[in-house]
Amino acid sequence: QSALTQPASVSGSPGQSITISCTGTSSDVGGYKYVSWYQQHPGKAPKLIIYDVSNRPSGVSNRFSGSKSGNTASLTISGLQAEDEADYYCSSYTSSIWVFGGGTKLTVL
Amino acid sequence: EVQLVESGGGLVHPGGSLRLSCAASGFTFSTYAMSWVRQAPGKGLDWVSAIKGSGVSTYYAASVKGRFTISRDNSNNTLFLQMDSLRAEDTAVYYCAKGQAGAPSFGYWGQGTLVTVSS
Repeated sequence: QSALTQPASVSGSPGQSITISCTGTSSDVGGYKYVSWYQQHPGKAPKLIIYDVSNRPSGVSNRFSGSKSGNTASLTISGLQAEDEADYYCSSYTSSIWVFGGGTKLTVL
Repeated sequence: EVQLVESGGGLVHPGGSLRLSCAASGFTFSTYAMSWVRQAPGKGLDWVSAIKGSGVSTYYAASVKGRFTISRDNSNNTLFLQMDSLRAEDTAVYYCAKGQAGAPSFGYWGQGTLVTVSS
């Protein structure tokens, strides 16, 4: 199973919105609703922010939203804040196997 | 409060073995699937292995199949990862992660334990 494709980096100014893409195939991202997103600050463990494409766990800000079109899933962060600066990873589940994207570093300018 | 605490990491020579543990608390351990996810220094996340709540079903990434064994002790709320025939490319921080009810995602993560494979 190949890794999902994410942009290496994205950036935005406070208050703006950004979108991170996650591209797979019809065998993973495109074929199932099981896409999740994780936020990881330096030196910390990852944190789940989106599951099943567009669902937010309790306690996660509604500034984070997820969607999917074809073989590409997307994470949108609206109203960017300084604390959103982190690495973001998508993941897809299929046939008892999980695959992650390479990660995207978000810089808040 | 869900807590996951990994232990057992360290320095091991290529070809050696190591056993990681993850002590869980704050939830009914036996009813949740658990996974190990690793992260090589400066790299991304890499799923390693998963086990269902009952312990009957186990799953492995192709890169570790036949070398790593996942298991759990539901009476002591502990997850294990037995790592044999270790290679330099297994060097990483290993995270224990709790599955979510009804969704194949990782709702909680431990702080990780570092495994270094080097001569």
